[in-house]
Amino acid sequence: EVQLVQSGAEVKKAGESLIISCEVSADSFPTYWIGWVRQMPGKGLEWLGLIYPDDSDTRYSPSFQGQVTISVDKSIRTAYLQWSSLKASDTGTYFCARAFGGSTGWLDFWGQGTLVTVSS
Amino acid sequence: QSVLTQPPSVSGTPGQRVTISCSGSRSNIGSNFAQWYQQVPGTAPTVLIHTNNQRPSGVPDRFSASKSGTSASLAISGLQSEDEAEYYCATWDDSLKGYVFGTGTKVTVL
Repeated sequence: EVQLVQSGAEVKKAGESLIISCEVSADSFPTYWIGWVRQMPGKGLEWLGLIYPDDSDTRYSPSFQGQVTISVDKSIRTAYLQWSSLKASDTGTYFCARAFGGSTGWLDFWGQGTLVTVSS
Repeated sequence: QSVLTQPPSVSGTPGQRVTISCSGSRSNIGSNFAQWYQQVPGTAPTVLIHTNNQRPSGVPDRFSASKSGTSASLAISGLQSEDEAEYYCATWDDSLKGYVFGTGTKVTVL
């Protein structure tokens, strides 16, 4: 079965940089889009964007374009979500998920989530 | 602010049937397949329904869904205590060029 394992919880200060990871245990890794979803405390799900590991083609939600960077290292089957300067409003749980059916498809396997806490 | 609107909460007694609506527009539900996700508190979401009405293997047939025009709905028949969770509809939005989630509905089993 496909598994997505995310890096552990992070506690940061506003203005700091951060990169979190999502390792995918599947031989098919390069040929499925990997997406990122945010959930702020007590709130709903928000789609940040996704990346195609085989060629690093990346799509961002207009709401998050320029706010985060999505990248991938195909050789170690790992996708990343990066901030250059965190804000308190970035606090939340971030999930990675595999997209089935192309870049517009549904999210069939999910990571366990990474809690990011940013203090001001 | 989500472009897919769901009722904040629905409730029912064990064994009852409950439905959750998801209202969108031509650029999202009206043009693309709808999905439904279940999120038990403290855990990651899981896909309950994809491609409007298809259940992944392992999802009980108590869960069913449909789509009509710019709206979708999820039905839970024979409600069970383990169905207490948050439910989200989702789909691709051609105008926003992104995947959008509904506002979420909390299901409570009384």
